[in-house]
Amino acid sequence: DIQMTQSPTSLSASVGDRVTITCRASQSISIYLNWYQQKPGKAPRPLIHAASSLQSGVPSRFSGSGSGTDFTLTITSLQREDFATYYCQESYSTPPYTFGQGTRLEIK
Amino acid sequence: QVQLVQSGAEVKKPGASVKVSCKASGYTLTSYDLNWVRQASGQGLEWMGWMNPNSGKTESAQKFQGRVTMTRDTSINTAYMEVSSLRSEDTAVYYCASFSGYYGLIFWGQGTLVTVSS
Repeated sequence: DIQMTQSPTSLSASVGDRVTITCRASQSISIYLNWYQQKPGKAPRPLIHAASSLQSGVPSRFSGSGSGTDFTLTITSLQREDFATYYCQESYSTPPYTFGQGTRLEIK
Repeated sequence: QVQLVQSGAEVKKPGASVKVSCKASGYTLTSYDLNWVRQASGQGLEWMGWMNPNSGKTESAQKFQGRVTMTRDTSINTAYMEVSSLRSEDTAVYYCASFSGYYGLIFWGQGTLVTVSS
């Protein structure tokens, strides 16, 4: 099974900051990497699919990059509504489709 | 409007089973694969299983094999996941989500809280 290692596990930042979250796969997953945002008490919201493609309606301050084993989610000019927990998930080939451990983004 | 609507909260005793439903509206269930994901309070997302609603083929995470059964009824656009031999550690919110390899988990249900308590 593919293991997904996400870092950092938590992050403090201020409104207007730029932040980067990384996700590493234990083997190559090509571009089959997705990012989700989750707020307390809510279902996760899809942000990015196929490593770098924004889901419909997601603001352009979110971007994703990477291929193979190393991926990043970048949020430029943080807004108050961006403080949440972020998860990566691989969707390569066959199941299981493992999630990263999550990154909690908090207001500094 | 595309939605996945899940059944309501459940309280079960240890050793019992629970069956969660997930009804697709605004699209045909067979248009996408389906995944099940759970989340214990304060914890991360845990992938549980995958189903192809066309063929009925399923695959579950190794830790759930033998305890999780995924089924569907395409005539009513609904998928189901049953978890048996419940224990307290199974207390969590359970989500269904439509899935494709390229788009990931596209549409999510609202979640179903399952509480296992004696």
